[in-house]
Amino acid sequence: NAGVTQTPKFQVLKTGQSMTLQCAQDMNHEYMSWYRQDPGMGLRLIHYSVGAGITDQGEVPNGYNVSRSTTEDFPLRLLSAAPSQTSVYFCASSYPTGGHYEQFFGPGTRLTVL
Amino acid sequence: AQSVTQLDSQVPVFEEAPVELRCNYSSSVSVYLFWYVQYPNQGLQLLLKYLSGSTLVKGINGFEAEFNKSQTSFHLRKPSVHISDTAEYFCAVSDAGGYNKLIFGAGTRLAVHP
Repeated sequence: NAGVTQTPKFQVLKTGQSMTLQCAQDMNHEYMSWYRQDPGMGLRLIHYSVGAGITDQGEVPNGYNVSRSTTEDFPLRLLSAAPSQTSVYFCASSYPTGGHYEQFFGPGTRLTVL
Repeated sequence: AQSVTQLDSQVPVFEEAPVELRCNYSSSVSVYLFWYVQYPNQGLQLLLKYLSGSTLVKGINGFEAEFNKSQTSFHLRKPSVHISDTAEYFCAVSDAGGYNKLIFGAGTRLAVHP
């Protein structure tokens, strides 16, 4: 299994540009999440999905869109990038075990918005 | 609302010395507690978790943590660190039961020196 994969690894955008961060998992997990990591702030939840066709907002959803058309894929869209969106983005998938959901993280995408 | 406070942003320590990384949380409900490790330029990896039962939890790489409900703490310890333990460590909390959205602390950077 490849686990959770993210593309691209690095990306530089200009303010106002749009792009999609890709996330895929091959573990058949129902739950998937997007986080952003900023220095001194840990990871913050952007959006999450509890299954194909179902998404919900996390702690910091503004400026981001998501959709979940398949179990495997959970892309994150930036419609009009802003410098405040410069961050490292992590995708995670999870499955239920022992009464909780064990999360598996991808390697991250480092995004710089100029 | 839940929150996590990691009391030290950086912890320098010499190789083979013991280390404790401190984590306090606040929550009005029962919680699950986690420690994750992030090696440079990698995603997060689960070190250990507390769900219920024994308050002393053992994880991978010789780490352990103790859940203290009265002090709302979940400190991470290792009796003898190695250079390879140099990484960033994140404490996280979630509601017990159901799909648990993780709330992360800001992280503690552990630097092990020879």
